[in-house]
Amino acid sequence: EAGVAQSPRYKIIEKRQSVAFWCNPISGHATLYWYQQILGQGPKLLIQFQNNGVVDDSQLPKDRFSAERLKGVDSTLKIQPAKLEDSAVYLCASSFLLAGRAGELFFGEGSRLTVL
Amino acid sequence: RKEVEQDPGPFNVPEGATVAFNCTYSNSASQSFFWYRQDCRKEPKLLMSVYSSGNEDGRFTAQLNRASQYISLLIRDSKLSDSATYLCVVNKYGNKLVFGAGTILRVKS
Repeated sequence: EAGVAQSPRYKIIEKRQSVAFWCNPISGHATLYWYQQILGQGPKLLIQFQNNGVVDDSQLPKDRFSAERLKGVDSTLKIQPAKLEDSAVYLCASSFLLAGRAGELFFGEGSRLTVL
Repeated sequence: RKEVEQDPGPFNVPEGATVAFNCTYSNSASQSFFWYRQDCRKEPKLLMSVYSSGNEDGRFTAQLNRASQYISLLIRDSKLSDSATYLCVVNKYGNKLVFGAGTILRVKS
């Protein structure tokens, strides 16, 4: 079974530029998450989708970050304009909601962003 | 207070040692708990769920203490391959998972 696909793996941009990350979850997974992981920290939830609806975006800096999950499958996370503190790994994860397995997230390899 | 707190370590242990990590959480209504493992520059992967009755998977034992709001992970007979960051994860509600910052384990030969 194919895992969570993310692209690009690496991106280097200058501050104030924009960047977009793409994620394709595991087939059949209803829930999709975007996490930001800064070096030395645990993953921080940015946004959670169930199908194509937003469940939680309380920690998404909406003045510069946006995300969408059209058709309830793949998703795009955009940052515009980027700041130095956005340098991080952006992890996409998906899960198949099933009682007792709520905590099993499957992560992609991440997109490593460096803002100069 | 952070929602999920872990000792960052690193824990440096010799092969064959037993090592234990604790994690505390702030929300007493949290519903479920997990340990994830993250290798250097890799994505997190589920290691094990933590049940109220405690659970064991080979060399790994996880326990939950709801009264004191902490979970623990015990690793017996440590292997070099156990070297990683161990992330404590709490499901607050509605499948909203909060990750701790992780505990670094280094197993030395």
